[in-house]
Amino acid sequence: KQEVTQIPAALSVPEGENLVLNCSFTDSAIYNLQWFRQDPGKGLTSLLLIQSSQREQTSGRLNASLDKSSGRSTLYIAASQPGDSATYLCAVNSGNTPLVFGKGTRLSVIA
Amino acid sequence: NAGVTQTPKFQVLKTGQSMTLQCAQDMNHNSMYWYRQDPGMGLRLIYYSASEGTTDKGEVPNGYNVSRLNKREFSLRLESAAPSQTSVYFCASSEMGFNQPQHFGDGTRLSIL
Repeated sequence: KQEVTQIPAALSVPEGENLVLNCSFTDSAIYNLQWFRQDPGKGLTSLLLIQSSQREQTSGRLNASLDKSSGRSTLYIAASQPGDSATYLCAVNSGNTPLVFGKGTRLSVIA
Repeated sequence: NAGVTQTPKFQVLKTGQSMTLQCAQDMNHNSMYWYRQDPGMGLRLIYYSASEGTTDKGEVPNGYNVSRLNKREFSLRLESAAPSQTSVYFCASSEMGFNQPQHFGDGTRLSIL
């Protein structure tokens, strides 16, 4: 059974710092991996989706990488801003089966 | 530019009461999903509808029923609410199946006393 782990559970950084969020999964036979952002009291917003054949995806200040063989993905946020404060979740898709979500990393960017 | 719309946003029920959570999407997506989110448990799939006319159980279907009313709408019903169903419920949709990006509504916060 696929399990997804996100460490740390919470992270606090000063504004302007570059940071990395981690996601690990137990079964490397994945189809794609998706990173989401969740603001308090809101739903999930899709940030990036990486197909299993890809190594990374970029959107603005965000860069997500995928290493299937080691069962890891990272979300890199450059030059963090207070507006980046949110919970970040990763979810793994292993074919046409339900997504398996991690429990998220709660990020606070301090001005 | 509504995306996925859920109603109501908040609800308080008494044990044993019934209610239906509504979800509608305007992106012409084929697949729709119901999740619950609980502290420490992450998001868990309750039911999904791969396409209009079909529904399937997810990880935690007990105590719930669903109806895919048409391509746009997918409702979740609690027939006899229990305190263990206190949660935040999210509806999501995707173009076709789990392989495509999912788009989420803002959730329904449900408390059962």
